[in-house]
Amino acid sequence: DIQMTQSPSTLSAYVGDRVTVTCRASQSISRWLAWYQQKPGKAPKLLIYKASTLESGVPSKFSGSGSGTEFTLTISSLQPDDFATYYCQQYNSFPYSFGQGTKLEIK
Amino acid sequence: EVQLVESGGGLVQPGGSLRLSCAASGFSFSSYWMSWVRQAPGKGLEWVANIKKDGSERYYVDSVKGRFTISRDNAKNSVYLQMNSLRVEDTAVFYCARAGDEYDSSGFKHWGQGTLVTVSS
Repeated sequence: DIQMTQSPSTLSAYVGDRVTVTCRASQSISRWLAWYQQKPGKAPKLLIYKASTLESGVPSKFSGSGSGTEFTLTISSLQPDDFATYYCQQYNSFPYSFGQGTKLEIK
Repeated sequence: EVQLVESGGGLVQPGGSLRLSCAASGFSFSSYWMSWVRQAPGKGLEWVANIKKDGSERYYVDSVKGRFTISRDNAKNSVYLQMNSLRVEDTAVFYCARAGDEYDSSGFKHWGQGTLVTVSS
C-alpha cells in the first residue's frame, strides 16, 4: 500500500504570504495526485488533480508540482479565506490514500 | 448540477450493522466510478471504498475488508455502503464522492454533505 506523508502538519503564516506544503509518496505514483482544501464542518474541495492541473473555478494562486514521489502545493498571497486544512491524495493504485493533512493557521 | 446526498447514518452499538445510501443526480450515474471516504472526529480523511461503473470491481481499505460492502444500483442512481461488525473506531462522517471524469483520473471533484456514523455502547 502507498503511504502519503505531508509536511508540515501545521503551518503558521501571515496574510499576504506565500506558502508551500509538501507531500511524499512511499513509492512512485507518477502524477496521480490531488490536493484538497477542507474547512471545519464542510466537505473537502478539490483544488488540483494530476499533480498540477488546476480544477475549474479554483484561483490561480493555487499551484501544484511534482511527479514520482515528491509533490508540492503552493499558495500565493494568502487571504483569510485560505486558512484551512489541506490534504494530498494519491489515486495511482488501490487502496487510495490521503496524507494526514496540513493545517494552515493565521500568524 | 451534480448532487450527492448521503443518508443512513446514526448511532449503533459495537458489533452492529448500518447501511449508508448515497443518492446521485445531475449526471449519468452509470458512467462513473463511485467512492466512500470517511473522517473520524478531529482526524484526517480516509478513503474507504470504490466501485466501478457496472459494479464489477470493488476495492476497500484494509481496515474494512470483510466487514464493509460497497454496492450500487444504476437504475436507482444510488451507491450503498453496508457496514457490519462495526467498531468504535469506525465512528466518522462518511462522504460519498465522485471523480471529475469517467475514468476516475481527476480526483474527487464532487462530494456529498456527509452522514455521521457513531459506534458506541
